[in-house]
Amino acid sequence: QTVVTQEPSFSVSPGGTATLTCGLSSGSVSTSYYPSWYQQTPGQSPRTLIYDTNTRSSGVPDRFSGSILGNKAALTITGAQADDEADYYCLLYMGSGVRVFGGGTKLTVL
Amino acid sequence: EVQLVESGGGLVQPGGSLRLSCAASGLTFGNYAMGWVRQAPGKGLEWVSVISGDGDYTKYADSVKGRFTISRDNSKNTLYLQMNSLRVDDTAVYYCGTLHNYGYTQWGQGALVTVSS
Repeated sequence: QTVVTQEPSFSVSPGGTATLTCGLSSGSVSTSYYPSWYQQTPGQSPRTLIYDTNTRSSGVPDRFSGSILGNKAALTITGAQADDEADYYCLLYMGSGVRVFGGGTKLTVL
Repeated sequence: EVQLVESGGGLVQPGGSLRLSCAASGLTFGNYAMGWVRQAPGKGLEWVSVISGDGDYTKYADSVKGRFTISRDNSKNTLYLQMNSLRVDDTAVYYCGTLHNYGYTQWGQGALVTVSS
């Protein structure tokens, strides 16, 4: 069974750039997996940041961008702010209606 | 503004059943595929199920296949998740969401389901 992989944790300095990745235990992520990205803070529902690889959801600042980098999907946060500290999850479409979340990345801004 | 409101969560014994509802407003409900995602305490998000806008197509994660049934009533703008043969490891907050193509775009506030004796 294919596992969707994410960095368990990532640290970034205020004002810095963080690139979080989303890969596969076997194979490469491409746009055909329609990667999407979600931000979740403790006790809150997920918030959609990016869908279809690089489309920002309504109201999401352009500091957040999605792409394919090498064999992985990537979420880049530029000009990191304190309130970007959260858990970030990617979701991949595996075909035949099936979707799989990555294990999530805990982003620390310090 | 799109609003999704889940209800129906609660405490149930192992082997029991529960039905979650997700009431939608602020959108043309039947135009949207919908789905359920869950999150066990202290754990990450887990994809559960999706249903097409007309209700004709459904898909489930292997972990719930054969036990859970997703459905919708477009006349009532409501999504459902019928959960049978519940297990302790089904304990989680269950979120409903709208789908745009292959990803979720809007989310509800979640409903807690606790399976325990």
